Amino acid sequence: GEDVEQSLFLSVREGDSSVINCTYTDSSSTYLYWYKQEPGAGLQLLTYIFSNMDMKQDQRLTVLLNKKDKHLSLRIADTQTGDSAIYFCAESRDNAGNMLTFGGGTRLMVKP
Amino acid sequence: DARVTQTPRHKVTEMGQEVTMRCQPILGHNTVFWYRQTMMQGLELLAYFRNRAPLDDSGMPKDRFSAEMPDATLATLKIQPSEPRDSAVYFCASGSEGEKLFFGSGTQLSVL
Repeated sequence: GEDVEQSLFLSVREGDSSVINCTYTDSSSTYLYWYKQEPGAGLQLLTYIFSNMDMKQDQRLTVLLNKKDKHLSLRIADTQTGDSAIYFCAESRDNAGNMLTFGGGTRLMVKP
Repeated sequence: DARVTQTPRHKVTEMGQEVTMRCQPILGHNTVFWYRQTMMQGLELLAYFRNRAPLDDSGMPKDRFSAEMPDATLATLKIQPSEPRDSAVYFCASGSEGEKLFFGSGTQLSVL
């Protein structure tokens, strides 16, 4: 079966870059996602990447995909205190891109 | 601003009581998901509907949980009878095929 894994915790200083890593096992993944969850809120889609891409940049966010190693990363440039949240990696295998398997989440703490 | 609406936001109940959680998907979306989030298990998929038809509810304990979509504007998740181990945050998400998923703010359930 599919499995998505992330480290539990990351702490950075405001202004530094954050890199959150994720590994997955299913080579047939079609889409890979990063979601952000703030306290008491639902999950908000930050960005996603198709499995045939190796990089996607969106403002302060850069997603890198190493399909050979099944490794996905999210880099947040100039991390702000408002970026403190739990970040979930997710993968999808269905063509619709809806059926998601989530990692356990990485709690990002940004220190002023 | 379209959003997925979940009610209630919080529910405290006693063991053995019936719990009904409701979700109003975004108008026009044809897929609906129910996820459960706990510290120990992370995000677990409970049920998946497409065009109101249940496609996958393998993650749902069948003896006490039931999920339905009586119409396109309402999805329900029922637990009867509820147990303390059901305490979690239950998220509903909706989407269209090939489009991103939108999550509701969740129902925080506490079963005493």
